[in-house]
Amino acid sequence: DSGVTQTPKHLITATGQRVTLRCSPRSGDLSVYWYQQSLDQGLQFLIQYYNGEERAKGNILERFSAQQFPDLHSELNLSSLELGDSALYFCASSVASGGAFVQDTQYFGPGTRLTVL
Amino acid sequence: KNQVEQSPQSLIILEGKNCTLQCNYTVSPFSNLRWYKQDTGRGPVSLTIMTFSENTKSNGRYTATLDADTKQSSLHITASQLSDSASYICVVSAREYGGATNKLIFGTGTLLAVQP
Repeated sequence: DSGVTQTPKHLITATGQRVTLRCSPRSGDLSVYWYQQSLDQGLQFLIQYYNGEERAKGNILERFSAQQFPDLHSELNLSSLELGDSALYFCASSVASGGAFVQDTQYFGPGTRLTVL
Repeated sequence: KNQVEQSPQSLIILEGKNCTLQCNYTVSPFSNLRWYKQDTGRGPVSLTIMTFSENTKSNGRYTATLDADTKQSSLHITASQLSDSASYICVVSAREYGGATNKLIFGTGTLLAVQP
């Protein structure tokens, strides 16, 4: 158990809909990262938040957005869903920003499996 | 272009045997290299992290090597067990110029199956 929790575990929805994925980082971790993993692709970095502020952006679509709240939990919002958005969405957390501490280990949550029908 | 390539794509070995997974990267400026183990349907778990000054790092039966000159890394698994069956992902971190963050570049992984 990494200490990172994600809800829900599974989500099934229809095209065009909007969903929210939730992540609670490990106690004491200030950074939260979101990743997408499709069946035929490796992990794709979406976005990072550090202590409530956006820190780095990866291959995140405009239909997707995220935020980190004062209690450090984070939400990933996916809207106008398409079939191709079906994937595993992982959240990871780390102590620092990922830059100041080069060996800043990321701890991954169990993921949310999103199925868009 | 920053890239991380892993080989082989998949590998089948018998329980108790050793194996070596390869990772080649073209990432600059290099910050560190990590190996993750990902069981099917679960989140990746960090095995090792190495900076450019480290040549080798062990974590139990897992030993990672890094050659910063040739930009190659390997993960050696000794005396494999059935529980080693997983995807092994190489991740290289590039320090962003003028920034305070590292950009992570992921390989597509090597799928290892250990058979009894």
